[in-house]
Amino acid sequence: NAGVTQTPKFQVLKTGQSMTLQCAQDMNHNSMYWYRQDPGMGLRLIYYSASEGTTDKGEVPNGYNVSRLNKREFSLRLESAAPSQTSVYFCASSGGGEQYFGPGTRLTVT
Amino acid sequence: KQEVTQIPAALSVPEGENLVLNCSFTDSAIYNLQWFRQDPGKGLTSLLLIQSSQREQTSGRLNASLDKSSGRSTLYIAASQPGDSATYLCAVWISGGYNKLIFGAGTRLAVHP
Repeated sequence: NAGVTQTPKFQVLKTGQSMTLQCAQDMNHNSMYWYRQDPGMGLRLIYYSASEGTTDKGEVPNGYNVSRLNKREFSLRLESAAPSQTSVYFCASSGGGEQYFGPGTRLTVT
Repeated sequence: KQEVTQIPAALSVPEGENLVLNCSFTDSAIYNLQWFRQDPGKGLTSLLLIQSSQREQTSGRLNASLDKSSGRSTLYIAASQPGDSATYLCAVWISGGYNKLIFGAGTRLAVHP
């Protein structure tokens, strides 16, 4: 039982490049989330998915898109990366009123 | 708007001390409260979940309490060890369109031998 997994662990992009962060969970949870964590700002919700086929904007969705491919997988896409998107990105899933986090992706945009 | 505050922001103590980390929230309409631990460069690990009908939860040397009416939770760590050094995050579950977690900024704990 791997819990929540994320790929890649590290990524460096140039301004304007695109990329997709992958997330998968094996706990059969309906709800999945993408957060970003920045020094002094704490964890902020980017997008949320209550179930397969549904997604909703969180606190900071601008510059991001998401896809809930199936119940297990929830991906986050940066279409045109900007230096302001340099951050650590966490995927999470929730079940039984509790949230479980992946190990994170450290993204640097130069 | 729900806001979560954690005090202190940082704490440095010698090994063996008993600690109290504080968390306060502005809106008592929460349904769960969760404490997490985060090691440097790592993800968040759930430590304790307190459901709204509960007053406290215990796991090993950790005890968390919840007082919804006053908007407060405390995390008590008994007999601290260097391995307890990490950032501790408090988060409240609220509903409003969808269920979501609102996080505090965390307490950075250092336990020195």
